[in-house]
Amino acid sequence: NAGVTQTPKFRILKIGQSMTLQCTQDMNHNYMYWYRQDPGMGLKLIYYSVGAGITDKGEVPNGYNVSRSTTEDFPLRLELAAPSQTSVYFCASSYGQEGEQFFGPGTRLTVL
Amino acid sequence: AQTVTQSQPEMSVQEAETVTLSCTYDTSESNYYLFWYKQPPSRQMILVIRQEAYKQQNATENRFSVNFQKAAKSFSLKISDSQLGDTAMYFCAFMKPPWSDKLIFGTGTRLQVFP
Repeated sequence: NAGVTQTPKFRILKIGQSMTLQCTQDMNHNYMYWYRQDPGMGLKLIYYSVGAGITDKGEVPNGYNVSRSTTEDFPLRLELAAPSQTSVYFCASSYGQEGEQFFGPGTRLTVL
Repeated sequence: AQTVTQSQPEMSVQEAETVTLSCTYDTSESNYYLFWYKQPPSRQMILVIRQEAYKQQNATENRFSVNFQKAAKSFSLKISDSQLGDTAMYFCAFMKPPWSDKLIFGTGTRLQVFP
């Protein structure tokens, strides 16, 4: 199993551009999550999904959108990128709501 | 609101020695989970150990063990026989019902293991 994979690993955006961060898991997990990690800080939840077709906001959802059309994929969309969105983004998945969360390797995003 | 506090931004330890990382949390819940995650320079988040609040026995995983003091809301991580590969950021995290909600992370402790 590849576990949780994320693409791209790095990206630089200009202010106002849009992009989609991809996340795929092959563990048949029903729960998936997007976090951001700002320098010197812990992770903060952006959005999460409890299954295909179901998503909900986390702590810091503004400026982001998600969709979950399949069990495997949970893309994160950034519209109108802003410097405040410069961060490292982690995708995670778990089997069940109390299950261990498995994390992807992260995407480092810089908005200039 | 729940908070997780790690008061030690940086720690260092010599190889083969023991080090303890501190974590305190604030909650009114009686049932919850506590975690320690390791983030090496590769950035990968790796679960080190997990503690269920209703279990009085402290969790252990090989060289890693916790000291869970529920009344004091304290959850420290002890690393025995430290190895160079233990060099990483360590995050304490908290999760409460309804579980599908977020993991709440502390700000992390950077641990450096010296030869």
